[in-house]
Amino acid sequence: EIVMTQSPATLSVSPGERATLSCRASQSFSSNLAWYQQKPGQAPRLLIYGASTRATGIPARFSGSGSGTEFTLTISSLQSEDFAVYYCQQYNNWPPLTFGGGTKVEIK
Amino acid sequence: EVQLVESGGGLVQPGGSLRLSCAASGFTFSSYAMNWVRQAPGKGLEWVSAISGSGGSTYYADSVKGRFTISRDNSKTTLYLQMNSLRAEDTAVYYCAKDPKPMLQGGNWFDPWGQGTLVTVSS
Repeated sequence: EIVMTQSPATLSVSPGERATLSCRASQSFSSNLAWYQQKPGQAPRLLIYGASTRATGIPARFSGSGSGTEFTLTISSLQSEDFAVYYCQQYNNWPPLTFGGGTKVEIK
Repeated sequence: EVQLVESGGGLVQPGGSLRLSCAASGFTFSSYAMNWVRQAPGKGLEWVSAISGSGGSTYYADSVKGRFTISRDNSKTTLYLQMNSLRAEDTAVYYCAKDPKPMLQGGNWFDPWGQGTLVTVSS
């Protein structure tokens, strides 16, 4: 099983600033990684797949990068609607499909 | 527009059973693998199970293997999760989620997700 570890657990950022979220895998793989955003009381929403491809309708301020064991989600200029919890998920080796523990992006 | 609507959640005693449903619309249901993902209160996401478009292949997390059964009725465009021998640690919001590409067996990312249904296992 591939274990996914996200850091930090909480990230305090001011609106307009850049946010960088990390996701580390216990085994190396190329690009089979997705990122999701979840707001309170809502289902997760797909942001990124293939480590760097934005899903339909996702603003360009969201970008993904990385390969191997280190992956990054960057939000270039945080908007008020971006404060949420973000999860990474690997789909390289399965079952099981596995998620990171999440990073909460909060207003500083 | 793709829509996934879960139902069937509720309060059940430890050792009891429950069947969740996910009604799908807006896409060719039989062409897509489907998944169940759960989220315990205040916790992260956990993949539970997947099923291929035909229903011929099924996959489970170790935590539910032997207790939960995933199935689908393509004529009714509905996904199911039969949950038996329920435990307190199964308490969670259960989401159904669609595979992103047709004609695959599963094992991909999820897009979109339903709104979820809450299962509470407690005496």
